[in-house]
Amino acid sequence: DGGITQSPKYLFRKEGQNVTLSCEQNLNHDAMYWYRQDPGQGLRLIYYSQIVNDFQKGDIAEGYSVSREKKESFPLTVTSAQKNPTAFYLCASRKDVKNIQYFGAGTRLSVL
Amino acid sequence: SQQGEEDPQALSIQEGENATMNCSYKTSINNLQWYRQNSGRGLVHLILIRSNEREKHSGRLRVTLDTSKKSSSLLITASRAADTASYFCATDLMGYGNKLVFGAGTILRVKS
Repeated sequence: DGGITQSPKYLFRKEGQNVTLSCEQNLNHDAMYWYRQDPGQGLRLIYYSQIVNDFQKGDIAEGYSVSREKKESFPLTVTSAQKNPTAFYLCASRKDVKNIQYFGAGTRLSVL
Repeated sequence: SQQGEEDPQALSIQEGENATMNCSYKTSINNLQWYRQNSGRGLVHLILIRSNEREKHSGRLRVTLDTSKKSSSLLITASRAADTASYFCATDLMGYGNKLVFGAGTILRVKS
């Protein structure tokens, strides 16, 4: 089954800790995205990558970091510099120039 | 903010009725897309309308686009309880790279 797999489904962060959210796709898509969703709000773009070994900041990149060493994988690290990390995080990949995006099931991050 | 506006924020209807959601945006677009999100899940692409199109149909979905008013509407006909979800419009803005800007969404509840 082709798709995007995010793990874990739930994650808890202690103060001062960095945590990494996993995103893997087997759709052979070049571009991948990370979004943050807060209650009652739309999605806000954190980082995106159009090709392996390249990525750009989105609208709310502060306190986050990413890497794109493989086409299939685009992990997101929430660093201790992100003071309000509690949110629902969604990973997506883009199929073609029409910019239709395919989403994973999300990771819900909470602070202990 | 580049985010569009959606209204209503929430909509509650009876099964069998039609549901209409509206989306407005601020700058020129390549296309506009509608996505659906079931509670606590990822988004699923529903339909895309290009900037040179005025209306598009897919099953029980009908999307209209008025570029002069920078607005779009999504009509779901003969709604079912299974249509209960949040619906988001997303704009592929001209000159914004391969990124989407999401609205805050409309929460639809279909009562059986």
